[in-house]
Amino acid sequence: GENVEQHPSTLSVQEGDSAVIKCTYSDSASNYFPWYKQELGKRPQLIIDIRSNVGEKKDQRIAVTLNKTAKHFSLHITETQPEDSAVYFCAASIRNYGQNFVFGPGTRLSVLP
Amino acid sequence: DVKVTQSSRYLVKRTGEKVFLECVQDMDHENMFWYRQDPGLGLRLIYFSYDVKMKEKGDIPEGYSVSREKKERFSLILESASTNQTSMYLCASSLSTGGREQYFGPGTRLTVT
Repeated sequence: GENVEQHPSTLSVQEGDSAVIKCTYSDSASNYFPWYKQELGKRPQLIIDIRSNVGEKKDQRIAVTLNKTAKHFSLHITETQPEDSAVYFCAASIRNYGQNFVFGPGTRLSVLP
Repeated sequence: DVKVTQSSRYLVKRTGEKVFLECVQDMDHENMFWYRQDPGLGLRLIYFSYDVKMKEKGDIPEGYSVSREKKERFSLILESASTNQTSMYLCASSLSTGGREQYFGPGTRLTVT
């Protein structure tokens, strides 16, 4: 079945710097890759997603890139702010049950003032 | 506004007790999911349902069962709670067509003693 790896597990950046989180997946049939943000004590919420027919997607300060050949995708956050501090989860859809995801283990991002 | 609610935020049960966790969504979503969240392991799928009366095992179904008698309600049952089921449980729902965003509930922190 699908396996999603995520690195790094923790990341600390200075406010204003960029942050990059990388994920790899195993099943070439995966065609949808969402990113969820979970602030402390709160529920995960979708922040951006990308489909397999697109190589890059941007939404203000966040962007996601996808390399289907290498089976990896990355989240880029520019001009980080303290409110970006959270745990970020990448995920990949699975074959047979396209509405289901396999999630990565998460990255704890800390933005230092 | 999208609403997924869970019956309890915190629950303490004893080993061997039968435990019911309930999830209700008011968005008329077809799909509902139960995950458990443990540090360093991300979100792992326990069971899912794409329709009323339908249920399918996820990646870690052992020790759990589910019930979906109504479209808006998806219940997770721990037949005989054990200490290794101490965890955060998250419910989610999504539409079966269009976007695949999953909307999460606030979570139930279950402690089994």
